[in-house]
Amino acid sequence: EAEVAQSPRYKITEKSQAVAFWCDPISGHATLYWYRQILGQGPELLVQFQDESVVDDSQLPKDRFSAERLKGVDSTLKIQPAELGDSAMYLCASSPQSSTDTQYFGPGTRLTVL
Amino acid sequence: QKEVEQDPGPLSVPEGAIVSLNCTYSNSAFQYFMWYRQYSRKGPELLMYTYSSGNKEDGRFTAQVDKSSKYISLFIRDSQPSDSATYLCASSAGGTSYGKLTFGQGTILTVHP
Repeated sequence: EAEVAQSPRYKITEKSQAVAFWCDPISGHATLYWYRQILGQGPELLVQFQDESVVDDSQLPKDRFSAERLKGVDSTLKIQPAELGDSAMYLCASSPQSSTDTQYFGPGTRLTVL
Repeated sequence: QKEVEQDPGPLSVPEGAIVSLNCTYSNSAFQYFMWYRQYSRKGPELLMYTYSSGNKEDGRFTAQVDKSSKYISLFIRDSQPSDSATYLCASSAGGTSYGKLTFGQGTILTVHP
């Protein structure tokens, strides 16, 4: 069964350092999402891509976060510089063109900022 | 006020019990409703997907949506220890917001043998 791949699974960094997360969506899924999930809360959308284009990044803190999906396949989310409040699970999800409400999530990257 | 509210629990039930999980929402534009299950240290897994009001059944799981009261429910029959997880409700408006999900806080469920 096809799955969304994410790496690394865990990342510990010090504040002010740069971190990057990678996501490979299910093959053929045109839409890709990055979510942030703080412990004890539901996921919150950071950015949505349709192919290589950003559809929604209204909740992305653009002073420190950036996301790209250059070839419309895999994607990278970067934080620079990391802050203590960025400690969370970063989830990637993808969905087929025909049903963007049916989103399939990867295992996530758990980020700890010290 | 959050657009989707969910009681975080925790909820603890004995094996075999019927479990009722609930959410309320405030955005009248929401038309699509989902339930996700999330095991510890894993990503959410889609359980149920419904459009507009009504019931949908899949095995031991039944999802209900009442748009008149803005109420979303998930029922689990004959609950099993393997059902122990966090359950997240989510809603979407569709249209220009196609694909943008708004999640509840999640309810932690423990089913003990």
